[in-house]
Amino acid sequence: EAGVVQSPRYKIIEKKQPVAFWCNPISGHNTLYWYRQNLGQGPELLIRYENEEAVDDSQLPKDRFSAERLKGVDSTLKIQPAELGDSAVYLCASSSWTLSGTSGYNEQFFGPGTRLTVL
Amino acid sequence: KQEVTQIPAALSVPEGENLVLNCSFTDSAIYNLQWFRQDPGKGLTSLLLIQSSQREQTSGRLNASLDKSSGRSTLYIAASQPGDSATYLCAVVTGANSKLTFGKGITLSVRP
Repeated sequence: EAGVVQSPRYKIIEKKQPVAFWCNPISGHNTLYWYRQNLGQGPELLIRYENEEAVDDSQLPKDRFSAERLKGVDSTLKIQPAELGDSAVYLCASSSWTLSGTSGYNEQFFGPGTRLTVL
Repeated sequence: KQEVTQIPAALSVPEGENLVLNCSFTDSAIYNLQWFRQDPGKGLTSLLLIQSSQREQTSGRLNASLDKSSGRSTLYIAASQPGDSATYLCAVVTGANSKLTFGKGITLSVRP
């Protein structure tokens, strides 16, 4: 079974240019996440989708970042215009609810990430 | 606000040693805890997930324990190998939003 797919793997752009990242989650996973990981830090959530709906975008800088998941499958994250401080690794993850006993959990699986360098 | 701490930031051990990686979190009301491995320039690989009702999980040479009341988890690696060299991140889900809050990770180096 294929894992989470992301493209491109690397992107170098000049500041003020636009950039877009694409993610295809694991088949059947209805929850999709975008995280940003700065050097030496753990990932931080930018946005979470349940199917097509963005249910948590409180950490997304909405003045320059946008995301969509039109058909509830793959997703695109865009930055326009990019700033020097946006240089980071952008990770996509997906999960589905697993019932366990009387409760359950969402185990998140991550893609390889897109390393963005803004010059 | 949930905070996750992993200390030390880096660890170097000789091959064959058994080792323990520590993780602490400030809000004990977690849904679950995941341990991940990250190789340089790569994404995160899920190693183990412990639900809030569980005390430990095992996979091969790895054993993760959870003590919710004290806000601690440990990842035990038996008979370490050079191939275990990577950064190990601990993350918790607090609340129904399934958002993972990560520590900064522990960079492990296993010397041949």
